[in-house]
Amino acid sequence: EPEVTQTPSHQVTQMGQEVILRCVPISNHLYFYWYRQILGQKVEFLVSFYNNEISEKSEIFDDQFSVERPDGSNFTLKIRSTKLEDSAMYFCASSQNYLAKNIQYFGAGTRLSVL
Amino acid sequence: QKEVEQNSGPLSVPEGAIASLNCTYSDRGSQSFFWYRQYSGKSPELIMFIYSNGDKEDGRFTAQLNKASQYVSLLIRDSQPSDSATYLCAVRDGSGNTGKLIFGQGTTLQVKP
Repeated sequence: EPEVTQTPSHQVTQMGQEVILRCVPISNHLYFYWYRQILGQKVEFLVSFYNNEISEKSEIFDDQFSVERPDGSNFTLKIRSTKLEDSAMYFCASSQNYLAKNIQYFGAGTRLSVL
Repeated sequence: QKEVEQNSGPLSVPEGAIASLNCTYSDRGSQSFFWYRQYSGKSPELIMFIYSNGDKEDGRFTAQLNKASQYVSLLIRDSQPSDSATYLCAVRDGSGNTGKLIFGQGTTLQVKP
């Protein structure tokens, strides 16, 4: 069964460092998403991406964040200068389209720990 | 601000009982509703989705939707200890064209043997 793949599973970094979280969406999917979940809190939408551009971003997704689809398979989330409060689980999701009945499939997540 | 509300629990039921999980949402324009199960430290796993008013059954799971009351529920029949997890209600944003999901806080279910 096709699945969304995320690497690494756990990333430890020092405050102020740049991190890149990687995702390989399901191959025939066109819409890609990043969500995050701070320990004990809700899953929160960060950004959606379609046709090589951001289609929507949340207030959380400030200038420190960027997304890219560098090739035909990978979808990345970059945090330029990490803060302690960026520590969270980051989930990538993909779907075939954005329509009401479409399902988003989630990857296993990357746990980001900022020290 | 579009909100999805769930009682965080924990909801404790004995093995074999029916567990009832509830969710309300604020955006009357929402069309799609999802229940995800999340084990501690893991990613959300889709277990049910519902688009129309009424009930939808899949095995031991039944999702119920009442758009007039802006209310979604999930019933788990014959609850098993392996059902112990956090259940996330998610609503697809009814505006825009991105299909982003808005999640509730989640309800923790404990099924006691």
